[in-house]
Amino acid sequence: AQSVTQLGSHVSVSEGALVLLRCNYSSSVPPYLFWYVQYPNQGLQLLLKYTSAATLVKGINGFEAEFKKSETSFHLTKPSAHMSDAAEYFCAVIKAAGNKLTFGGGTRVLVKP
Amino acid sequence: DAGVIQSPRHEVTEMGQEVTLRCKPISGHNSLFWYRQTMMRGLELLIYFNNNVPIDDSGMPEDRFSAKMPNASFSTLKIQPSEPRDSAVYFCASSLYGTSGGNEQFFGPGTRLTVL
Repeated sequence: AQSVTQLGSHVSVSEGALVLLRCNYSSSVPPYLFWYVQYPNQGLQLLLKYTSAATLVKGINGFEAEFKKSETSFHLTKPSAHMSDAAEYFCAVIKAAGNKLTFGGGTRVLVKP
Repeated sequence: DAGVIQSPRHEVTEMGQEVTLRCKPISGHNSLFWYRQTMMRGLELLIYFNNNVPIDDSGMPEDRFSAKMPNASFSTLKIQPSEPRDSAVYFCASSLYGTSGGNEQFFGPGTRLTVL
């Protein structure tokens, strides 16, 4: 069975500060990992994905995430937060040959001016 | 290319009424997923289809919920009779299963259902 844990349901950052969202997973087989973003009143949009290539993955809007197998982590970072980054972020895992995503509980990001 | 299309975007109905939510997946995708999102329970997978065949409906709350996919370009999620606790945002997503790209799911904008 797979599971995803996102530490912190809410994160508050100042504009220009580092954004760090934590995600840990458990999977019995090598997984693919995703970060999705949900802006208010919208559907989920893919930020980036790890599919067993490079462990440091760059996504849209300046976000990146690093896959660390030894820590079973896939934390999301952005060096400098913008007001437009205020949204909810979801980490998700899927088995490499699977078709069913398992989502974390989400982290809502608030950006302070 | 159009993304996943859902209709209606908003639905307000009274308890006991039948509700039908519609989804058109991205052309060429062979998997379709229905999710429900609430503040209390977060994002839940209700059911998914591969090649129009239901594969896993373990997330369907109860017999009041049913989903169909009569062809590759259309799916419905029906609630009959509806109850206030069904109020939520319902998302449809599609993917191209079997590729080497990690089976990324593309989400529609959602249908916000309010049952009074």
